[in-house]
Amino acid sequence: GQNIDQPTEMTATEGAIVQINCTYQTSGFNGLFWYQQHAGEAPTFLSYNVLDGLEEKGRFSSFLSRSKGYSYLLLKELQMKDSASYLCAAKGSNYQLIWGAGTKLIIKP
Amino acid sequence: IAGITQAPTSQILAAGRRMTLRCTQDMRHNAMYWYRQDLGLGLRLIHYSNTAGTTGKGEVPDGYSVSRANTDDFPLTLASAVPSQTSVYFCASSAGDEFNEQFFGPGTRLTVL
Repeated sequence: GQNIDQPTEMTATEGAIVQINCTYQTSGFNGLFWYQQHAGEAPTFLSYNVLDGLEEKGRFSSFLSRSKGYSYLLLKELQMKDSASYLCAAKGSNYQLIWGAGTKLIIKP
Repeated sequence: IAGITQAPTSQILAAGRRMTLRCTQDMRHNAMYWYRQDLGLGLRLIHYSNTAGTTGKGEVPDGYSVSRANTDDFPLTLASAVPSQTSVYFCASSAGDEFNEQFFGPGTRLTVL
């Protein structure tokens, strides 16, 4: 079957670094997406990985290991505005996205 | 219009009533999607359209129908609403190429009593 697993909730301190993990099982694989979703708002795109390795974009980085079915989102220099849910989604062989339930990140001062 | 819009923002509906959720995009994207988002669950695909004139069923299509008469509009209809259809509904669009980043509308919060 197809499945995405990510932690339900994480807590971190302002200014620190946090890593949100995601494991996936899909029928075929055509890329891994991370989205940010603030409470009551729509998801917004953060990153896309299709090859193994690290993609860096400012304070956010995303890593992919296709052989392990594993990805992580790394957030550096955490700010209070980073409090949100982070959604992992994998694109399967039919090019549709399979979504995880999201990780709620709580930032404390 | 800038991006993707949905209407209404929220709605309370009696069970058994018919309801159409509207979605319009001005980005000339080929592909459009309808998702529902429920607490503790990931976004679940209801229906999708890869291009105007074509539609397909997603993971949870029962009780819903869609049409894609043109590139911009992708309405979602609940023929006879049931309480289990209480959810937040998101419409999304993408260029439809391999990269396939999806842009989301602001969502419709639907409550069926």
